[in-house]
Amino acid sequence: DTGVSQNPRHKITKRGQNVTFRCDPISEHNRLYWYRQTLGQGPEFLTYFQNEAQLEKSRLLSDRFSAERPKGSFSTLEIQRTEQGDSAMYLCASSPRVGTGSADEKLFFGSGTQLSVL
Amino acid sequence: AQSVTQLDSQVPVFEEAPVELRCNYSSSVSVYLFWYVQYPNQGLQLLLKYLSGSTLVKGINGFEAEFNKSQTSFHLRKPSVHISDTAEYFCAVSVHLNTGFQKLVFGTGTRLLVSP
Repeated sequence: DTGVSQNPRHKITKRGQNVTFRCDPISEHNRLYWYRQTLGQGPEFLTYFQNEAQLEKSRLLSDRFSAERPKGSFSTLEIQRTEQGDSAMYLCASSPRVGTGSADEKLFFGSGTQLSVL
Repeated sequence: AQSVTQLDSQVPVFEEAPVELRCNYSSSVSVYLFWYVQYPNQGLQLLLKYLSGSTLVKGINGFEAEFNKSQTSFHLRKPSVHISDTAEYFCAVSVHLNTGFQKLVFGTGTRLLVSP
């Protein structure tokens, strides 16, 4: 068990460019979450996958954002035409929970990808 | 809508002193409450959680929290802190969604600074 892995750790880009982040969850975890954390704030929910199905998207996820989990394993988060307001830490978490969601679900977070848009 | 307030953005404390990090929540339904810790350059790690039952919850690393429904609080405490406890601490409430899963709503965090 190597934990949740996120790449890259840091990404600096110019406004208007596209960026893609990758998250590798813990093996056999069927649930995967993306959160965003801006400076001085707590993490905010972006989206959630159960296996390859994207079941929930936050209103924070504008049309410029797209997330995929094609084979139910790793996930990618792409931001098109980046804006300075997209600068944040993007966190991925996975969970082994199956079936209906439960408060007893335990999330395992990765170290995040820090995005800086210049 | 459920929300969480952490009034203290930073709490400085000396090593071996007790500490309390405050968390107040707002919810019209039953709540599930959590404390997460984020060490520098690391991901969030679950410290403890309250789902039901005993209002005093014990977690890892000697931390504990007490659920107080009348005061809508879930304060985190440790009787004696170590330098290694220096980190960002987040209180969170679980929100149940139509898809049947729960998402976490986090507070803004409290930075605990432990000095010798």
